[in-house]
Amino acid sequence: AQSVTQPDARVTVSEGASLQLRCKYSYSATPYLFWYVQYPRQGLQLLLKYYSGDPVVQGVNGFEAEFSKSNSSFHLRKASVHWSDSAVYFCAVRENNNAGAKLTFGGGTRLTVRP
Amino acid sequence: DPKIIQKPKYLVAVTGSEKILICEQYLGHNAMYWYRQSAKKPLEFMFSYSYQKLMDNQTASSRFQPQSSKKNHLDLQITALKPDDSATYFCASSPFNNQAPLFGEGTRLSVL
Repeated sequence: AQSVTQPDARVTVSEGASLQLRCKYSYSATPYLFWYVQYPRQGLQLLLKYYSGDPVVQGVNGFEAEFSKSNSSFHLRKASVHWSDSAVYFCAVRENNNAGAKLTFGGGTRLTVRP
Repeated sequence: DPKIIQKPKYLVAVTGSEKILICEQYLGHNAMYWYRQSAKKPLEFMFSYSYQKLMDNQTASSRFQPQSSKKNHLDLQITALKPDDSATYFCASSPFNNQAPLFGEGTRLSVL
């Protein structure tokens, strides 16, 4: 069965600093990969997705993620964070087939951006 | 305006009672889902529907029953509620069954 690990439950950075949120997955083949963000008292919003091709994918609000098959990772990055980026970030994986749309989520990383 | 509407936003129930969580989407999507987020577990998949047909059920308990009366509706009936059912239940949808879902704002259920 597939699984997703986000090793950092909480990350704190200063505004303007660069950011990397880590995500490791376990799956026998190349999965579909996603990053979602959850702002307080809101639902999840899709930041970006990876299906195939260029391992670096661009998302909304300056976020990007890099897929690494050798490391089974899909880390999220941003060059310069803003205080409004404070939220919980979820990495998710889906099996690369047409069997269904079940996403398996990691436990999330709570990002706090200090002014 | 939110395109996936979940009602109610907050719900308090007593142990043993039954509740229905409402979900409507106005995105023209053909696939709808339910996910659950609790304090003890990561966000977890419950059900997926495609063209009003059940595609996948990862919920062990029959106390959870999805109901699709219309193409853009997927309600969730929960019977014999337990305190462990306390969680935020998210409805989601996507154009088709194999695409990234968009999520509603959730219904936060507390079972006393």
